[in-house]
Amino acid sequence: IAGITQAPTSQILAAGRRMTLRCTQDMRHNAMYWYRQDLGLGLRLIHYSNTAGTTGKGEVPDGYSVSRANTDDFPLTLASAVPSQTSVYFCASSDSAGGTGEQFFGPGTRLTVL
Amino acid sequence: GQNIDQPTEMTATEGAIVQINCTYQTSGFNGLFWYQQHAGEAPTFLSYNVLDGLEEKGRFSSFLSRSKGYSYLLLKELQMKDSASYLCAAMDSNYQLIWGAGTKLIIKP
Repeated sequence: IAGITQAPTSQILAAGRRMTLRCTQDMRHNAMYWYRQDLGLGLRLIHYSNTAGTTGKGEVPDGYSVSRANTDDFPLTLASAVPSQTSVYFCASSDSAGGTGEQFFGPGTRLTVL
Repeated sequence: GQNIDQPTEMTATEGAIVQINCTYQTSGFNGLFWYQQHAGEAPTFLSYNVLDGLEEKGRFSSFLSRSKGYSYLLLKELQMKDSASYLCAAMDSNYQLIWGAGTKLIIKP
């Protein structure tokens, strides 16, 4: 692994189903983030984690949950998917929260909820 | 509220110069970022400004005026590969990034 990876690349999901998007980084970054990107809107923060064992809510957390059991992994779960969660999801990481903490992005997961 | 404004789309000619403007309003301020995003790809970091002034990095420069809540990204000697969306993001007092919707830059030969 080099950098930050996400899985799956894309997924079509029936409404009401549970889905976990996976994110793994090998840069030993402390901070990790989940964003969604919708046409005509800026990236919107769903949840974040400043360090392993801690998580926080972003701008649009409803319907999503995260966990941070270790430094490398930061999965995002949709407990019961709805069509409004159709979006492109990006995971990102930075070596610290704040400062010049450039965020490195994964390749994204394109999710369609029908 | 917190808000980032940037133009939706701009067109420029190969070899020319283009300036992409961004205005921001945030609760506190810890710096201004510019990212590049090619269609279907992830955003990649271009620049970071926290002090007033111009930061130059090769063909790309970024300017910040904290008193005016204003930044711009200047791209010189445009190449076709510069066709992409350019995202402006301001870091607020909680060290969270507030993102603009992006400016789609179209380069014509």
